[in-house]
Amino acid sequence: DIQMTQSPSSLSASVGDRVTITCRASQSISSYLNWYQQKPGKAPKLLIYAASSLQSGVPSRFSGSGSGTDFTLTISSLQPEDFATYYCQQSYSTLIFTFGPGTKVDIK
Amino acid sequence: QVTLKESGPVLVKPTETLTLTCTVSGFSLSNARMGVSWIRQPPGKALEWLAHIFSNDEKSYSTSLKSRLTISKDTSKSQVVLTMTNMDPVDTATYYCARICGTIWGYYYYMDVWGKGTTVTVSS
Repeated sequence: DIQMTQSPSSLSASVGDRVTITCRASQSISSYLNWYQQKPGKAPKLLIYAASSLQSGVPSRFSGSGSGTDFTLTISSLQPEDFATYYCQQSYSTLIFTFGPGTKVDIK
Repeated sequence: QVTLKESGPVLVKPTETLTLTCTVSGFSLSNARMGVSWIRQPPGKALEWLAHIFSNDEKSYSTSLKSRLTISKDTSKSQVVLTMTNMDPVDTATYYCARICGTIWGYYYYMDVWGKGTTVTVSS
């Protein structure tokens, strides 16, 4: 199975900061990579699909990049509502989906 | 409006079988390039994908849980059912179902709409 890792596991940032989260796959997954945001007690929300496509309704401060094994999620200017946990997920193999372990973004 | 709603027992005993139902609305389980996934999240831990079923009835399971899981769908009822046998306290979690969508270009699949989740506790 394809394994996903994320770094850092947590970070502290201030409103207005540029934040970058990294996701790495154990083998090449082309651009079959999605990003989700989850707030405490809530279901995850899709932010980015196919590595860089912004889901409808998601603010443009969120962007995704990468292909192969290395991917990044960038928040260009962190807003108060962005404090959450972020997960990457591969869909290269439609037989087996895999999530990363998550990156928690909290207030500095 | 697309919605998914999970239902099932709040409490199950160890060794029992868990049956969860995901009732969908706003789309059909027969739509091309669509499916439903089940995902769980133990308290304070990460998301774990469990299984999915596509409109063509293609099914897949988590490698580590494959022997305990069965997924099925009833298109006429707009329901997807997941059963998990031999429940253990480590299976205590919030269980989510989510719609899978696929793009026409490149067949990129993603989970775009999620249910609110149902919390299942395994305890005697």
